[in-house]
Amino acid sequence: KQEVTQIPAALSVPEGENLVLNCSFTDSAIYNLQWFRQDPGKGLTSLLLIQSSQREQTSGRLNASLDKSSGRSTLYIAASQPGDSATYLCAVDWNGQNFVFGPGTRLSVLP
Amino acid sequence: GAGVSQSPSNKVTEKGKDVELRCDPISGHTALYWYRQSLGQGLEFLIYFQGNSAPDKSGLPSDRFSAERTGGSVSTLTIQRTQQEDSAVYLCASSRQGGTEAFFGQGTRLTVV
Repeated sequence: KQEVTQIPAALSVPEGENLVLNCSFTDSAIYNLQWFRQDPGKGLTSLLLIQSSQREQTSGRLNASLDKSSGRSTLYIAASQPGDSATYLCAVDWNGQNFVFGPGTRLSVLP
Repeated sequence: GAGVSQSPSNKVTEKGKDVELRCDPISGHTALYWYRQSLGQGLEFLIYFQGNSAPDKSGLPSDRFSAERTGGSVSTLTIQRTQQEDSAVYLCASSRQGGTEAFFGQGTRLTVV
């Protein structure tokens, strides 16, 4: 069964810290992987998309890496800010038709 | 429009009634997805449309759920004879085509009382 897990479930850090969120998936034959953030009561905001052939993507203070052979992706957030507080979701596309989502990591950045 | 638009943003309905949820994708996006997020649960795939191809309905939880996409643009998700367990946030997303970056709407919060 194709599944996505995320560790940790929740994370609380002081402002300014660099942090890493982890995503693991079964079956390395992925199409792509996308990271989202979700603010309470809101929809999902796309952060980064990594295609199967890519190893990493960067956007501002965010860097996402992909290691298909080990079934893992990490989202690195540099110099965290209180505005980064949200739930971060990893989603894997195995067939080019839909995403399977992980349960998310709830991040709190304390001022 | 600039983003994916969903309406209504909130819907309260009585058990047994039918409801329709609407999604306007980003202009030019041929792929459209519906997901459901129940309280405290992860996102659950419901249905996928790609252009004029037959939709992937493999995620629909029962035959009370149906969806259509008219003219390759606007989509409507219909839930017949609503039950309390249908209460959730229904999220719509679109992408340029299947397998590319997906963009989500703000969702419709459905409450069945």
